[in-house]
Amino acid sequence: EVQLVESGGGLVQPGGSLRLSCAASGFTLSSYWMHWVRQPPGKGLVWVSRINMYGSDLSYADSVKGRFTISRDNAKNMVYLQMNNVRDDDTAVYYCVRSAVWRFDYWGQGALVTVSS
Amino acid sequence: QSALTQPASVSGSPGQSITISCTGTSSDVGRYNYVSWYQQHPGKAPKLMIYEVTNRPSGVSDRFSGSKSGNTASLTISGLQAEDEADYYCNSFTTSNTWVFGGGTKLTVL
Repeated sequence: EVQLVESGGGLVQPGGSLRLSCAASGFTLSSYWMHWVRQPPGKGLVWVSRINMYGSDLSYADSVKGRFTISRDNAKNMVYLQMNNVRDDDTAVYYCVRSAVWRFDYWGQGALVTVSS
Repeated sequence: QSALTQPASVSGSPGQSITISCTGTSSDVGRYNYVSWYQQHPGKAPKLMIYEVTNRPSGVSDRFSGSKSGNTASLTISGLQAEDEADYYCNSFTTSNTWVFGGGTKLTVL
């Protein structure tokens, strides 16, 4: 069974840093692209970032470019999102998502990140 | 990276059909057949319902179907059931090597 379990969410002050982790199981992580998608409270889904199978090709939404970094460790079955210089509008549930290239086929349950002083 | 445009809400009675539109540009919906649709119930993670415009994953009811014309994609749900009440989001790959979601549509089954 495919499982994606996010951790590392919590309360962080504006300008601070946080690292989200995503533990993958039930499939061969190295065969899939992985994404982070976020959802601000009461609002819609927003794509954040994507990493290819090898970690050599990364892409980001303009709103997080230069502040967030996606990475992966296929040997440990882990995907990460390093969030630096966070802002109030980064407050959201962050989902770790597997993509079969052009579709998001499995989603984690999400990790809540709250940016507040 | 502007969000794709969806109606904020649609409604229908049990047994009826509804269609949710998703309008993008020639840089996303109109450029690629990489449009997908997701269903999200309150407090739950989204679920893939349609991918590559018209394809249904295994296990998704054939009451769900997708189409595309120009810069607009559509999701049609036929034979509405109470369990279909949820938020629906479209998504497309873009020429910027990024992905973009629609703003979401709340479906109410009357």
